[in-house]
Amino acid sequence: QVTLKESGPGMLQPSKTLSLTCSFSGFSLSTSGMVVSWIRQPSGKSLEWLAAIDWDGDKYYNPSLKSRLTVSKDTSNTQVFLKITSVDIADTATYYCARSTTEGIVEVFDYWGQGVMVTVSS
Amino acid sequence: DIQMTQSPSFLSASVGDRVTINCKASQNINRYLNWYQQKLGEAPKLLIYNANSLQTGIPSRFSGSGSGTDFTLTISSLQPEDVATYFCLQHNSWYTFGAGTKLELK
Repeated sequence: QVTLKESGPGMLQPSKTLSLTCSFSGFSLSTSGMVVSWIRQPSGKSLEWLAAIDWDGDKYYNPSLKSRLTVSKDTSNTQVFLKITSVDIADTATYYCARSTTEGIVEVFDYWGQGVMVTVSS
Repeated sequence: DIQMTQSPSFLSASVGDRVTINCKASQNINRYLNWYQQKLGEAPKLLIYNANSLQTGIPSRFSGSGSGTDFTLTISSLQPEDVATYFCLQHNSWYTFGAGTKLELK
């Protein structure tokens, strides 16, 4: 059974660095073809893909946010992290991590975490 | 960047109705189009991948069609549990979501 769960600070001040963790089970990020992405959704709005990391450690970023994002994974391949620098009010959103498979039957964002709400406020 | 134009933004329909939601890509995305259902307070759920493939466990009343730039999600007979917001996603070049269609019961 594939599950993902996000965790984060809940609230932080403008200009700070946001650190998020995605903990998952039911698959390993060391398996060829596995990818974990970060996606966010401001309240009442649509979704925005932020970043991804694959089984080989290759990293991919939304070009419009690339300078502020860093995605990484742990050595056990059961957690993925996202850092967003210099946050402002526009970064207030629910942040999701989601799995994709890029080999065999390619499925993009087939499993999602429950999301973690992050509020940027002074 | 590929833009996705989703329509309508809001849809009100009765139980048993046939419902269609559309997404138009700003350029050819072949069949790299997914549909997701998001119920209030929940994460999105994958319904259809690669334009017309039904995800495991999704009821057969959901179907997808289209290729190139024009895509459609169809619910053949609307059920009360289908009340949700529906999003399309293109994954031909990076990832872009549509703005969403909020589906309510009439």
